[in-house]
Amino acid sequence: QVQLVESGGGVVQPGRSLRLSCAASGFTFSSYGMHWVRQAPGKGLEWVAVISYDGSNKYYADSVKGRFTISRDNSKNTLYLQMNSLRAEDTAVYYCADERTGAPATWGQGTLVTVSS
Amino acid sequence: SYELTQPPSVSVSPGQTARITCSGDALPKKYAYWYQQKSGQAPVLVIYEDSKRPSGIPERFSGSSSGTMATLTISGAQVEDEADYYCYSTDSSGNHVVFGGGTKLTVL
Repeated sequence: QVQLVESGGGVVQPGRSLRLSCAASGFTFSSYGMHWVRQAPGKGLEWVAVISYDGSNKYYADSVKGRFTISRDNSKNTLYLQMNSLRAEDTAVYYCADERTGAPATWGQGTLVTVSS
Repeated sequence: SYELTQPPSVSVSPGQTARITCSGDALPKKYAYWYQQKSGQAPVLVIYEDSKRPSGIPERFSGSSSGTMATLTISGAQVEDEADYYCYSTDSSGNHVVFGGGTKLTVL
């Protein structure tokens, strides 16, 4: 079955960087786009970024454009999110999800990122 | 920026039909997707491409779309359907992705 496992979250100071990973299994990772979505504590879902199946196309939410970079390594079945210049408002649970239905389909359990001094 | 608008809350009694709406200017041209999120859990896709149901989702969940509004319908809602529900779609260009603000469904 499809499984997505995020890692790399933690507590980081404002202005610092963090890289999240998402290990995928149970489907042909290299055939599908992948998304990152976040959820601040007590808030709704916020789409963050999407990458095409081969990494050639990437789109970002305005709130993270220029600071976050989505990437993938199809040889390792792994999705990444490089987060730079982190702000307090980036504090959230970050989920990865596959795009087997044209939109986020199966989601991981998420990894918590806390930006605090 | 593009927005999808949902009611903050919907309340029904067990066995009644719950309808959750999502409005957006690009919905006549773009598919709507629906997610269920129970407390402390990751979201689950319950409807894709306006009205298709993924395997494993109960038949009481259905979706429709007309004009600028998409609707998630839960026929014969059950207590275990209590959750937050989010719609998802894109703007007309397809490059700006957005979730609705979410609707808290109460079944009691």
